[in-house]
Amino acid sequence: GAGVSQTPSNKVTEKGKYVELRCDPISGHTALYWYRQSLGQGPEFLIYFQGTGAADDSGLPNDRFFAVRPEGSVSTLKIQRTERGDSAVYLCASSSSPYNEQFFGPGTRLTVL
Amino acid sequence: AQTVTQSQPEMSVQEAETVTLSCTYDTSESDYYLFWYKQPPSRQMILVIRQEAYKQQNATENRFSVNFQKAAKSFSLKISDSQLGDAAMYFCAYRSVETSGSRLTFGEGTQLTVNP
Repeated sequence: GAGVSQTPSNKVTEKGKYVELRCDPISGHTALYWYRQSLGQGPEFLIYFQGTGAADDSGLPNDRFFAVRPEGSVSTLKIQRTERGDSAVYLCASSSSPYNEQFFGPGTRLTVL
Repeated sequence: AQTVTQSQPEMSVQEAETVTLSCTYDTSESDYYLFWYKQPPSRQMILVIRQEAYKQQNATENRFSVNFQKAAKSFSLKISDSQLGDAAMYFCAYRSVETSGSRLTFGEGTQLTVNP
């Protein structure tokens, strides 16, 4: 079956612009996670959805970051007024329930010039 | 808050040999899960092995095994009969059971090179 997919694979934007990153989880997975991986580091948690609601958004670094999952499937991570420090790989993962294995997508590499 | 530390930024091993990757963690919880993930250049994280803290027996998955020392808060990964396809970045990760949420907390990673 299909795994977690993320689009775009790569995104280059200019400082100050708005970007949206999309995650398509495995069909039927109710739990969805976003992580950010800066160069040479391990992924850091951003936000966790259970169904349509954000069950834990404590990892979002500031109010420029926002994520939605309106129908409990696809999720979009939105970043306003991008800064060079936002450059990283953004990883999405999904699981069939919160404490089951998380399956990761290939990530979106965001570069802010 | 929990922290995970991988003190070996890089490791190398000869093909067919055995290598051990180190991981330590800090937590005040008694029940939790520990994981090793592999990240090849494709960026996709792949679960290698998982250990539940309440289980004393070390987990094993084919050529991969762990040495879980709960009192020492140590969780090392042993790769036996190393293959060229094992070359990747390896991350140790922690997940709480007791607190709400199921986020993974990752270490900094160890880049493994396998020499033919």
